Amino acid sequence: EADIYQTPRYLVIGTGKKITLECSQTMGHDKMYWYQQDPGMELHLIHYSYGVNSTEKGDLSSESTVSRIRTEHFPLTLESARPSHTSQYLCASSEYIHEQFFGPGTRLTVL
Amino acid sequence: QKEVEQNSGPLSVPEGAIASLNCTYSDRGSQSFFWYRQYSGKSPELIMSIYSNGDKEDGRFTAQLNKASQYVSLLIRDSQPSDSATYLCAVDHNAGKSTFGDGTTLTVKP
Repeated sequence: EADIYQTPRYLVIGTGKKITLECSQTMGHDKMYWYQQDPGMELHLIHYSYGVNSTEKGDLSSESTVSRIRTEHFPLTLESARPSHTSQYLCASSEYIHEQFFGPGTRLTVL
Repeated sequence: QKEVEQNSGPLSVPEGAIASLNCTYSDRGSQSFFWYRQYSGKSPELIMSIYSNGDKEDGRFTAQLNKASQYVSLLIRDSQPSDSATYLCAVDHNAGKSTFGDGTTLTVKP
């Protein structure tokens, strides 16, 4: 079944740790996105990719980095987590028609 | 001015009523328009897309687009308590990179 997956779903870590949030999709979509969303607040685009080896920063400045080595995989990395990074991170993908399909999200808490 | 603006909420309607959600956008070159529904604590899910002027109906949902007025709306007929959620308007103005509105929270009261 075609789908988009995110792991872990919940993560609680201490300040200064390096973390990688995983996102994979089985739909063969070229475009993938990372959003940050605080509870009850708007979505902020932090990274996007139009294909393998293509990554761009989004509208919201972020200290995270991303990579796109395989079409299906778009991980997000924080080199040194801080409490200000506490948020929900949503991954999405789309094909040429631009409708985005979202993963279940990762809720990150940095202590 | 924000690129995508939605009518401020929250919006409350009684069960069975029509809920009307509105969205305006600033980029006249925008081509694709979407409505997503987001339940509390969940991810957004696409419920409607519209690409040309006029109405598009899908079950109880109708999306309306007026490019001249830079306006897109979502009507929910026979609103149900299960429709209670935040509705996000999204506009694609740059080939695959959508801009989302802040969302309008709808509550349908039994």
